[in-house]
Amino acid sequence: GESVGLHLPTLSVQEGDNSIINCAYSNSASDYFIWYKQESGKGPQFIIDIRSNMDKRQGQRVTVLLNKTVKHLSLQIAATQPGDSAVYFCAENSGGGADGLTFGKGTHLIIQP
Amino acid sequence: NAGVTQTPKFQVLKTGQSMTLQCAQDMNHEYMSWYRQDPGMGLRLIHYSVGAGITDQGEVPNGYNVSRSTTEDFPLRLLSAAPSQTSVYFCASSYSPKYEQFFGPGTRLTVL
Repeated sequence: GESVGLHLPTLSVQEGDNSIINCAYSNSASDYFIWYKQESGKGPQFIIDIRSNMDKRQGQRVTVLLNKTVKHLSLQIAATQPGDSAVYFCAENSGGGADGLTFGKGTHLIIQP
Repeated sequence: NAGVTQTPKFQVLKTGQSMTLQCAQDMNHEYMSWYRQDPGMGLRLIHYSVGAGITDQGEVPNGYNVSRSTTEDFPLRLLSAAPSQTSVYFCASSYSPKYEQFFGPGTRLTVL
């Protein structure tokens, strides 16, 4: 999940296991949500997105779940691979104007061999 | 397509100097934005643009100026650099704020 401060939450999983990364978003008016993966020294890379009229969306090896009641978003990665090691950010768009994304502080996913 | 390109990749400035971070995209996206990322943090929106000639402020606009004279380019200007502006800067583009935003590789800026 998300936290304040300089130290990112860390999730350590065994290679081949499923990973679940959680995110609590802040704005009940947000209607668009997105997950990004960021590897060291690179820009964020799109993983999957979901709109507020959906509860679940699946991609290749990834699933995003949206619970609007408790303002919670999760990313599930199936059969985690070494290449999945990265920092994962959730982000929301609050819907009103053309403002960009509001990002969470990220979760560092570490894959154990 | 090159996607979103940013120059320079690295820059060191002294306090009070000015510089422009360049951003270009070749996807014909109307929406472009600038973010900064500080250690252990998520990205924060500096400025954004919904099309040529239109710009607006994001969450942390102080100390930065932008302009959008063409669809392709969205430069970010630091008029008088301060150590608090030491950060990694990312430019992004998309069809709209509610679609996937494509990010550039970033510019790592250090202000001494």
